[in-house]
Amino acid sequence: NAGVTQTPKFQVLKTGQSMTLQCAQDMNHNSMYWYRQDPGMGLRLIYYSASEGTTDKGEVPNGYNVSRLNKREFSLRLESAAPSQTSVYFCASSVQGASDTQYFGPGTRLTVL
Amino acid sequence: AQTVTQSQPEMSVQEAETVTLSCTYDTSESDYYLFWYKQPPSRQMILVIRQEAYKQQNATENRFSVNFQKAAKSFSLKISDSQLGDAAMYFCAYRRNKGAQKLVFGQGTRLTINP
Repeated sequence: NAGVTQTPKFQVLKTGQSMTLQCAQDMNHNSMYWYRQDPGMGLRLIYYSASEGTTDKGEVPNGYNVSRLNKREFSLRLESAAPSQTSVYFCASSVQGASDTQYFGPGTRLTVL
Repeated sequence: AQTVTQSQPEMSVQEAETVTLSCTYDTSESDYYLFWYKQPPSRQMILVIRQEAYKQQNATENRFSVNFQKAAKSFSLKISDSQLGDAAMYFCAYRRNKGAQKLVFGQGTRLTINP
């Protein structure tokens, strides 16, 4: 039982390049989330998927797209990376329910030059 | 919109002593959850403790306990018998209990344990 896994762990991009961050969970959770963490700040929600087949914008969605590929996988895509997207990205999942808890992946450190 | 504020960017405590981390939040909801997450240097986000707003009793988990003051919208974390492994960033987080289960985080408090 690996929990929530993310790939890659580290990535360096040049401005304008694109990439996809992958997230998978093996806990049969319904809901999945993407957050970003900037220095001196808490995590901020980018996008989430309450259940398979649905996605919604969070607090900071601009410059990102997501795909809920199936119940296990939720990817985050940067179409044209910008230096402002340099951050640590966390994926999380939860059962979805009144008392669910979100479980986090190990994070991806992304640097955009 | 809900907001979470942690007014202590850094705290330090002697090993084996007790420390309290502060958190306040703003919401118009009456039904919600509050959390404390720990983030060690490994970056992994680890759930420390959870409080349900409709429960008056403060949550406890071994050496970790909270002081939940709903009317004051305050949610502090007390760590007793501090250990070197407690050194980390601590984040307070809020989640409403209806609609999407989104977490709103505070800015974090960096806790240092002095041996």
